[in-house]
Amino acid sequence: GAVVSQHPSWVICKSGTSVKIECRSLDFQATTMFWYRQFPKQSLMLMATSNEGSKATYEQGVEKDKFLINHASLTLSTLTVTSAHPEDSSFYICSARAPGAMVDTQYFGPGTRLTVL
Amino acid sequence: LAKTTQPISMDSYEGQEVNITCSHNNIATNDYITWYQQFPSQGPRFIIQGYKTKVTNEVASLFIPADRKSSTLSLPRVSLSDTAVYYCLVSNQAGTALIFGKGTTLSVSS
Repeated sequence: GAVVSQHPSWVICKSGTSVKIECRSLDFQATTMFWYRQFPKQSLMLMATSNEGSKATYEQGVEKDKFLINHASLTLSTLTVTSAHPEDSSFYICSARAPGAMVDTQYFGPGTRLTVL
Repeated sequence: LAKTTQPISMDSYEGQEVNITCSHNNIATNDYITWYQQFPSQGPRFIIQGYKTKVTNEVASLFIPADRKSSTLSLPRVSLSDTAVYYCLVSNQAGTALIFGKGTTLSVSS
């Protein structure tokens, strides 16, 4: 299957600082990538849809000025958590659409664990 | 997107076959069914995808009845390493984002 990577795999930062997470499609081009957040013992929650060359579409309740998304190329999308606070601590996962045998399939990155102190 | 319903949890023993059923009563004509597996602190991993009847790959089988209102993921002879959360999702060619339900937590014991 298609491979999606994320960097860093984990990050610890101080409250008030900004953190950038990268999502890359390694062996395919992705015009659309998605960002999810997952809290302990919960399911994945969609945050935003990232489209190459255009503005991201955010889900209701997700602050676009706090979670900046940039999809600058067909293989890279970045999520920047600005002025991070302890409640932003979570597991952030990206996914990218890849052509599949029957229908486009979403492949997920390994996730990034963010801890805000 | 069609809402899916799965059992919250299932228990099994090593070597047994496990069948996880998912209902998606409002599935649309152009929707596909996809199953993912997720281990703690990892991203979901694609398992299998199908539209109708039966699909089989090296790790699982997917059974979809004619009305497509449900689907069953079949894991043959599970091992301890199959302990994970399994998600059933419905998607279409439009490529909209996948909306995750609570998934099924499978616990395999020796």
